[in-house]
Amino acid sequence: DVKVTQSSRYLVKRTGEKVFLECVQDMDHENMFWYRQDPGLGLRLIYFSYDVKMKEKGDIPEGYSVSREKKERFSLILESASTNQTSMYLCASSLDPGLSYEQYFGPGTRLTVT
Amino acid sequence: DAKTTQPPSMDCAEGRAANLPCNHSTISGNEYVYWYRQIHSQGPQYIIHGLKNNETNEMASLIITEDRKSSTLILPHATLRDTAVYYCIVRPYSTGTASKLTFGTGTRLQVTL
Repeated sequence: DVKVTQSSRYLVKRTGEKVFLECVQDMDHENMFWYRQDPGLGLRLIYFSYDVKMKEKGDIPEGYSVSREKKERFSLILESASTNQTSMYLCASSLDPGLSYEQYFGPGTRLTVT
Repeated sequence: DAKTTQPPSMDCAEGRAANLPCNHSTISGNEYVYWYRQIHSQGPQYIIHGLKNNETNEMASLIITEDRKSSTLILPHATLRDTAVYYCIVRPYSTGTASKLTFGTGTRLQVTL
């Protein structure tokens, strides 16, 4: 069965802290994504990666960075957390886009920055 | 990407068919229609996608109008577990870099007894 896991379901951090959100997929997918979801705004793409060590900015990359050292793992980093980064963070993966745009999502991490 | 318009909310009685509309009047010839749903406190789940022919799978049916400017997702026998936010997305089916999906605010479907 297809699986995308995220390191935490709930996380509370202080302003200025460095935050790591981890995502792991077991489907050997090429592409991985990080979104954030906020009420009234839907899902917004932060960064995505189409190969190991490759990354591209999404729609709202400011304040975030990513790392993809292994195919199965994609990390989202908040270098200095701020209160406006309080949100639900969702990771997803998909096969090469030549085959399908079906994305598999993890359960999400609800991050609160105080 | 083409913009989509969905009603913010709908109700459906359990056991009845749920018909969720989506307007995508600016869709272009190479864009597919995708449907996802998100059950409360979970990540989005893929349901179905299509180009111009109607599609059916074990979860739902997708009806696309002949001019492709609108579509309807049909859950034939809705259950309480189908209560979720349903997202209609249009996106080119092309090779190249990663498949970015742009989610709007969707339709909140409430299935009731």
